[in-house]
Amino acid sequence: KNEVEQSPQNLTAQEGEFITINCSYSVGISALHWLQQHPGGGIVSLFMLSSGKKKHGRLIATINIQEKHSSLHITASHPRDSAVYICAVRSRETSGSRLTFGEGTQLTVNP
Amino acid sequence: KAGVTQTPRYLIKTRGQQVTLSCSPISGHRSVSWYQQTPGQGLQFLFEYFSETQRNKGNFPGRFSGRQFSNSRSEMNVSTLELGDSALYLCASSPRAGDTQYFGPGTRLTVL
Repeated sequence: KNEVEQSPQNLTAQEGEFITINCSYSVGISALHWLQQHPGGGIVSLFMLSSGKKKHGRLIATINIQEKHSSLHITASHPRDSAVYICAVRSRETSGSRLTFGEGTQLTVNP
Repeated sequence: KAGVTQTPRYLIKTRGQQVTLSCSPISGHRSVSWYQQTPGQGLQFLFEYFSETQRNKGNFPGRFSGRQFSNSRSEMNVSTLELGDSALYLCASSPRAGDTQYFGPGTRLTVL
């Protein structure tokens, strides 16, 4: 079993829909990251969180440390949101920046 | 500020050769991490450098090595290339270890 599990693996939505991507992890963590990867490979860091909730524009990320679970929400989705969304965790045992990644969720938003 | 840059962007090598990839972090960032991404294994951590010292190493064979220079630029080297080393190699930098990481565009290595 992977240390970081994401669901769903693939998600297709219509423009304007509310989207949720889930991430569960099995280790104690000091931080959880949500990343976005567009075709061509470039990765952008969306959020780094260790508790509660963060919001940036139409994106919201939440984390429940007790349940070892995080969600990424996209409100009013748009075709430009189509990308792979990756959850990654930094273990509490790690002193540096080492991340362990989920397999990613391929999101396609149709106009 | 300029972002993280990686050179070269694309590389084709043959089995048995060696390769060196370069990463220039964002100015002022002292932590540099390297990752390998393949369709089968996804993203995997290779190693992390901070102030010219390797802080962490992932579960990769000794053929994979790296270093960091005093200006924080980093290189990774893969010797005796195998077909399975074909991947996208990503570098990420952060001001300090544990901060938000900023990723470079990656180097796509193809081993024939």
